[in-house]
Amino acid sequence: AQSVTQPDIHITVSEGASLELRCNYSYGATPYLFWYVQSPGQGLQLLLKYFSGDTLVQGIKGFEAEFKRSQSSFNLRKPSVHWSDAAEYFCAVGPSGGYNKLIFGAGTRLAVHP
Amino acid sequence: KAGVTQTPRYLIKTRGQQVTLSCSPISGHRSVSWYQQTPGQGLQFLFEYFSETQRNKGNFPGRFSGRQFSNSRSEMNVSTLELGDSALYLCASSLEAGGSEQFFGPGTRLTVL
Repeated sequence: AQSVTQPDIHITVSEGASLELRCNYSYGATPYLFWYVQSPGQGLQLLLKYFSGDTLVQGIKGFEAEFKRSQSSFNLRKPSVHWSDAAEYFCAVGPSGGYNKLIFGAGTRLAVHP
Repeated sequence: KAGVTQTPRYLIKTRGQQVTLSCSPISGHRSVSWYQQTPGQGLQFLFEYFSETQRNKGNFPGRFSGRQFSNSRSEMNVSTLELGDSALYLCASSLEAGGSEQFFGPGTRLTVL
């Protein structure tokens, strides 16, 4: 069955520290991979996406993610976290063709200490 | 270019009633998908519309339905509301159907009493 696992429900980091949010997926074919961020009461904003090619992708707000096929992972990283990064982060997978259905992980809530 | 808009933003209904939610995609986008977000189940795919046709449906009962109009605007309807239907309903638009980047609206918060 297709699924996305985000092992960390909550993460707390200090402002200026580095960040890595983990994402593992189970998918029969080569998926499209996404990271979205959601602030309280808001919709989802796309941070970055991987469709093919270079396995290290750059996104908005200084985020990057690396696709590792052998580990079925797509971890999100940021070298220096800002207080405004506090939000909930969702990893998602979608089909590489055909339909727009996304399968989301449960999300990781990020808190940033000053 | 304006983003995805959803109306209303907040809605309170009672059990047994029905509700209609509206979504206007980004101009030029032809595909609209709907998702339900709840604390217990997370984000779940409801359905996808492209060119006024439902292309894919998630695992939800028949009380959940939708449609898309010729201008790509979409509505979803929930009949015979249950307490468990309380959720944030998110609409996403994309340029084309099939694996393309989706842009989400702010959502409609539905509360069923």
